[in-house]
Amino acid sequence: QKEVEQDPGPLSVPEGAIVSLNCTYSNSAFQYFMWYRQYSRKGPELLMYTYSSGNKEDGRFTAQVDKSSKYISLFIRDSQPSDSATYLCAMSQANAGNMLTFGGGTRLMVKP
Amino acid sequence: NAGVMQNPRHLVRRRGQEARLRCSPVKGHSHVYWYRQLPEEGLKFMVYLQKENIIDESGMPKERFSAEFPKEGPSILRIQQVVRGDSAAYFCASSPGGGAEAFFGQGTRLTVV
Repeated sequence: QKEVEQDPGPLSVPEGAIVSLNCTYSNSAFQYFMWYRQYSRKGPELLMYTYSSGNKEDGRFTAQVDKSSKYISLFIRDSQPSDSATYLCAMSQANAGNMLTFGGGTRLMVKP
Repeated sequence: NAGVMQNPRHLVRRRGQEARLRCSPVKGHSHVYWYRQLPEEGLKFMVYLQKENIIDESGMPKERFSAEFPKEGPSILRIQQVVRGDSAAYFCASSPGGGAEAFFGQGTRLTVV
């Protein structure tokens, strides 16, 4: 079993839809949770960075962390074709710096 | 305001040759991380370095791979005697501190022929 599980998709939605992306994890020591967006043949781009449980909102993006369920989510409102990319969740333990454990990524396609 | 710079972007090596991948972190960042992304797989942590020190190399293969981050100059990931299985995208990330957000470069795509 992988430490971080993520549905690979692809997830196809119409423009304007609300997108929900999720990851589950098994290591209760994870404290920092991140979402990255990766366009084809590009480097990962940090979207959201959260510590411990709770919600964080930034523009059209909302990240949720539920440590009791070992479950994290990223919501994208009013999705745009430019949001089409692979979304990677990542997490790390306290005092582990940015030695991140990544999920396999979910490929999202937003159709005009 | 340059981000993390990696070069070369593409590198082709024959089996048995050496590959050297370079990473210049964001100015002022003293923490560097290397990750490898195999085709159709997620990113895997390889090594964590600070200036002149290897902090954690638990993700590095035991043989043929080495990394350094000298006092001056970029961080280098070196792969000796490359094999076809080393073909992958190698990403470098940097952060100003151990617990702060890490920013990734565009990667070096290594192809071993």
